[in-house]
Amino acid sequence: AQSVTQLGSHVSVSEGALVLLRCNYSSSVPPYLFWYVQYPNQGLQLLLKYTSAATLVKGINGFEAEFKKSETSFHLTKPSAHMSDAAEYFCAVSGGAGNMLTFGGGTRLMVKP
Amino acid sequence: GAVVSQHPSWVICKSGTSVKIECRSLDFQATTMFWYRQFPKQSLMLMATSNEGSKATYEQGVEKDKFLINHASLTLSTLTVTSAHPEDSSFYICSAPGLAGGSSYNEQFFGPGTRLTVL
Repeated sequence: AQSVTQLGSHVSVSEGALVLLRCNYSSSVPPYLFWYVQYPNQGLQLLLKYTSAATLVKGINGFEAEFKKSETSFHLTKPSAHMSDAAEYFCAVSGGAGNMLTFGGGTRLMVKP
Repeated sequence: GAVVSQHPSWVICKSGTSVKIECRSLDFQATTMFWYRQFPKQSLMLMATSNEGSKATYEQGVEKDKFLINHASLTLSTLTVTSAHPEDSSFYICSAPGLAGGSSYNEQFFGPGTRLTVL
């Protein structure tokens, strides 16, 4: 069984500031981990994924995440926030390739000018 | 790349009517598709796994007689909300595993979602 906890349902940063969205997971098997972004009334867009290769994963739009097994974490970061980054972000875990995903509660990122 | 479409993108219906939502994999085949429900300002919750040629697998607490799933072909799964009520109003999203471009890894591709409003 898998579960995901996203700390902080809302995160607010200033434009140009560091973005840090936290994700901790629980999995009984080696996990596959994902970060998705969702804009209002739209589906999910994959930002990046960890599939047991490199622990530091780079994604689209300047985002990256680091898999830390000892901390069971997969936090998402971006060095400099842009107004267009304002959206809902979901961390998800699956037990294998193509398997169904278990999502965290989501974090709404707000970017202040 | 792998694309998943949903139709309709939004629907408004009267209480007691049935609504069908289609999920299509446009450029790849999917023997399995997943249906999620998302209430406002909440996360996605898996409702069921749709299996081509066999019965869907429902998550605990999801009424299979209310949410009928049919996976008639390798590119189409449908979700029918029967006798819809206002509490069924939600955002319904499907996904299908497929190969990303240049990758040997099966990842989930999501449809754009269907907004259902039951009056």
